[in-house]
Amino acid sequence: EDQVTQSPEALRLQEGESSSLNCSYTVSGLRGLFWYRQDPGKGPEFLFTLYSAGEEKEKERLKATLTKKESFLHITAPKPEDSATYLCAVRYSSNTGKLIFGQGTTLQVKP
Amino acid sequence: GAVVSQHPSWVICKSGTSVKIECRSLDFQATTMFWYRQFPKQSLMLMATSNEGSKATYEQGVEKDKFLINHASLTLSTLTVTSAHPEDSSFYICSGAGTSGGRGDTQYFGPGTRLTVL
Repeated sequence: EDQVTQSPEALRLQEGESSSLNCSYTVSGLRGLFWYRQDPGKGPEFLFTLYSAGEEKEKERLKATLTKKESFLHITAPKPEDSATYLCAVRYSSNTGKLIFGQGTTLQVKP
Repeated sequence: GAVVSQHPSWVICKSGTSVKIECRSLDFQATTMFWYRQFPKQSLMLMATSNEGSKATYEQGVEKDKFLINHASLTLSTLTVTSAHPEDSSFYICSGAGTSGGRGDTQYFGPGTRLTVL
């Protein structure tokens, strides 16, 4: 069964304390792994797309990596404004473009 | 680039009435649009997928007669919740994916619409 699991569910960091969020997936034929950021009461904001194992993408303090079974979102020296829920999603059908979402990791960065 | 808007951002209605939510892709053509609902502290649940000019494809368990979706153009899709009941209260979010402006396979999300049915 196609599935996406994110861990941890919640993460509290001190400002400047680097960490990683995990997204494990089991799908037959990965066609793209997507990272989004969602603030309370708002729609998800696109961050990265990864397509193949070994691929990496960076944006400011965020870096996303991909292996054959999981993806990591590394947050370097986070700031309070990085506090949000980070969602991982996997595209599993090239015909419809539908995504399977993980449950998300809620990150809180304290000053 | 790749901006999606939704209107209204929030709506309160009485039980039994219908509510229409609009989703627009502002700077790209969304050949495919998706509608999701999200309950508090839960992830997004896909309701339906629609392609411009075609009937929407609904996910299992989603009542197509209750949630009417129209994708009349490459920049506009609407979701109408018919005969709304309190259990339909939720956060509804649309997304668009297209080949012009945004990447063809990336879904860009709207800001969401908070529906409260009294």
